[in-house]
Amino acid sequence: QVRLQESGPGLVKPSGTLSLTCAVSGVSVTSTHWWTWVRQPPGKGLEWIGEIYHTGPPEYNPSLKSRLTISVDKSKNQFSLILTSVTAADTAVYYCASRGDYVVLDVWGQGSNVIVSS
Amino acid sequence: QSALTQPASVSGSPGQSITISCTGTSSDVGTYTYVSWYQQHPGKVPQFIIYDVNKRPSGVSNRFSGSKSGNTASLTISGLQPEDEADYFCSSYTTHNTLVFGTGTKVSVL
Repeated sequence: QVRLQESGPGLVKPSGTLSLTCAVSGVSVTSTHWWTWVRQPPGKGLEWIGEIYHTGPPEYNPSLKSRLTISVDKSKNQFSLILTSVTAADTAVYYCASRGDYVVLDVWGQGSNVIVSS
Repeated sequence: QSALTQPASVSGSPGQSITISCTGTSSDVGTYTYVSWYQQHPGKVPQFIIYDVNKRPSGVSNRFSGSKSGNTASLTISGLQPEDEADYFCSSYTTHNTLVFGTGTKVSVL
């Protein structure tokens, strides 16, 4: 059974870099899963950020592509998100999620609340 | 990529049926049967309730059903119950190898 847990700073300064990690348990990151990031600004809807399969390359939301890096760390069985040049608009709950045999996010982490503020 | 279009809110009385629409384009909903629906209660993590347009995972009530016609997918909740009050989001795979979510619909049980 796949389990996911996000970790990272809850506060990032404007123009800084947001870094989050998602620890995977119950399965190897090299298994047949796509590893995904989704975010939800306060009071708003879900936004797909991007995803990666362990053999790569990642797929990104075009609106974030120029600032975004998603990667897999096989040695630590985790995957990560790096978002540069953040603004207040990047304030959101960031979820890591996964999809396997079907195109549906069937496992989600608990979410990591990230605030961009000075 | 543009979010799929959903009504902001839908309401119904207990026992009634409601339908939530999810309108996309020929680059997403219109091309693929990879449409899924997520339910999110306040302060909670989203959970999928429908995948591949009309398939229900084990444990999800058969009161939830999905369909698709052209560029529009729909979620129907029959026999509406108080615990169905939540936000609902559709999602589709796209021709750009990405996923896109809908704008979200708040379901109220009157």
